[in-house]
Amino acid sequence: DTGVSQDPRHKITKRGQNVTFRCDPISEHNRLYWYRQTLGQGPEFLTYFQNEAQLEKSRLLSDRFSAERPKGSFSTLEIQRTEQGDSAMYLCASTPRGQATQFFGPGTRLTVL
Amino acid sequence: DAKTTQPNSMESNEEEPVHLPCNHSTISGTDYIHWYRQLPSQGPEYVIHGLTSNVNNRMASLAIAEDRKSSTLILHRATLRDAAVYYCILRNYGQNFVFGPGTRLSVLP
Repeated sequence: DTGVSQDPRHKITKRGQNVTFRCDPISEHNRLYWYRQTLGQGPEFLTYFQNEAQLEKSRLLSDRFSAERPKGSFSTLEIQRTEQGDSAMYLCASTPRGQATQFFGPGTRLTVL
Repeated sequence: DAKTTQPNSMESNEEEPVHLPCNHSTISGTDYIHWYRQLPSQGPEYVIHGLTSNVNNRMASLAIAEDRKSSTLILHRATLRDAAVYYCILRNYGQNFVFGPGTRLSVLP
């Protein structure tokens, strides 16, 4: 049973660089979510997809952030011109059709120097 | 979004039961109560959820007050592997999960 996978697990970048993260959901899960989590806080919702359609975006998702799920399978989250405030854990979760339970990946920890 | 209130931290001894409380006084009639937990260096994982009746699964039990304004997650016999942050979340149909800071559970050997 393969769960949600995320790549890379850790990313260190310099301020101003672009970074891209990948999430592979559980097979046949139609909904995919991105969250951001900072130290001591719970995950904060960023955006979600139903199949390939991006249905909702949080106001936390500035115009430097873009997410895609081109074929309704894996998803990418890109952050352009990274800032130190972007340092966080980025979590991906997927949900099977007709259910509410979210299955989370291990996250990508981003450090912006 | 309906809000929940949980203690910041709790301690338990290994092999003893743990009762993790959650207050949600503004819960609506169609809000489900969900519990997730997050072990160190991992993403959150589903524990249990319910609407009105108490629920049991292999991980835990969920006791829901009759007025639904509070609930309690019960771990029947805590192990060291249960040390985690536990999140109580209300979710209505079609809404996204809103995580608070949760309760950090420490389990003492």
